[in-house]
Amino acid sequence: GENVEQHPSTLSVQEGDSAVIKCTYSDSASNYFPWYKQELGKRPQLIIDIRSNVGEKKDQRIAVTLNKTAKHFSLHITETQPEDSAVYFCAATYRGGYQKVTFGTGTKLQVIP
Amino acid sequence: NAGVMQNPRHLVRRRGQEARLRCSPMKGHSHVYWYRQLPEEGLKFMVYLQKENIIDESGMPKERFSAEFPKEGPSILRIQQVVRGDSAAYFCASSPPIGDTDGNTIYFGEGSWLTVV
Repeated sequence: GENVEQHPSTLSVQEGDSAVIKCTYSDSASNYFPWYKQELGKRPQLIIDIRSNVGEKKDQRIAVTLNKTAKHFSLHITETQPEDSAVYFCAATYRGGYQKVTFGTGTKLQVIP
Repeated sequence: NAGVMQNPRHLVRRRGQEARLRCSPMKGHSHVYWYRQLPEEGLKFMVYLQKENIIDESGMPKERFSAEFPKEGPSILRIQQVVRGDSAAYFCASSPPIGDTDGNTIYFGEGSWLTVV
């Protein structure tokens, strides 16, 4: 089955700096890669996603890149703000006969004012 | 368009009791997933269901846990004879049918926090 590894597990950055979170996946059949943000005590919320036919996608301060050959994808947050502090999860999704979503272990991001 | 609805939001059970967690998917969604999250940990897949069908239950403990998604009504995650280690947040998520234009995305409910005392 699919295995998703996520690094780092914790990340502290100064407000205004950039943050990068990296994930690798094992199943070359995975074709959709969403990122979720989870604040303390709340549900995971989709913040950005990328499909396997695209190499990069950007939405304001957030961008995601995908390298299918190397089987890794990354989340980039620029000009970080204190409200970006949360746990971020990457996921790899395989749409075969049915949909299977495998999550990474999460990155706790702390933005220091 | 209401999101994924879960209830109860918080549930306290004594050891040995049963816990029932309910999940109504988003309108138009036919796939339901259940995940468990221990404090300070990640999202652990439990089970994936469609109406009246369990598609993948590879993450479900073999004993005491069961899930269903009947033709009518919400999906239910049932935990029998709860133990302290069952204390966790249980998140339900739903997605559109396979074949829908953006059928990949799953959307989470607010979660049900189970505390076993």
